[in-house]
Amino acid sequence: GQNIDQPTEMTATEGAIVQINCTYQTSGFNGLFWYQQHAGEAPTFLSYNVLDGLEEKGRFSSFLSRSKGYSYLLLKELQMKDSASYLCAVKKDTGFQKLVFGTGTRLLVSP
Amino acid sequence: ETGVTQTPRHLVMGMTNKKSLKCEQHLGHNAMYWYKQSAKKPLELMFVYSLEERVENNSVPSRFSPECPNSSHLFLHLHTLQPEDSALYLCASSQDRHAANEQFFGPGTRLTVL
Repeated sequence: GQNIDQPTEMTATEGAIVQINCTYQTSGFNGLFWYQQHAGEAPTFLSYNVLDGLEEKGRFSSFLSRSKGYSYLLLKELQMKDSASYLCAVKKDTGFQKLVFGTGTRLLVSP
Repeated sequence: ETGVTQTPRHLVMGMTNKKSLKCEQHLGHNAMYWYKQSAKKPLELMFVYSLEERVENNSVPSRFSPECPNSSHLFLHLHTLQPEDSALYLCASSQDRHAANEQFFGPGTRLTVL
């Protein structure tokens, strides 16, 4: 089976830093994606981790620990436009790219 | 047009209707996907096509019937749906079905079944 857990909702203030955690238990793990989804819009790619460690991309960073089944997405210098859902997705190697998504974390950034 | 487009953006249908959702990708990708997104549930993979061949049917009821006439177009034919099928249906594409290629999503079709 597979479990992917994320907090349902988080709040933060503009200019702050927020960390969104994702834990997973799955067979055939072969990488982890983070996507951002604004209400009523398509999910958009943020990051991909396959090796342990931190990947930094501007204000966003993503971390992976394969041994712990744990990832986080770090958002710095929060802006109002960062209010969105953040989806953690595990890539399973089943002969094709199969993504298994968590329920997403809804982030609300307030002034 | 660029990226992944989906039509219609909104659809309301009765349980006895037949309708189709359309997805088109302008990225030159070889793999296309249908997902279902229901409220408070994770995105669920429904179907995967690679080079127009279906490689995954994720235990989806037969009232959903996909069609992939070429690598740029993907359809989802709907027939005798149930109210619980109301959801956001998202199409995605990737360079191919392997490796670490990110998936690009369309804006989705918001489906309501009455």
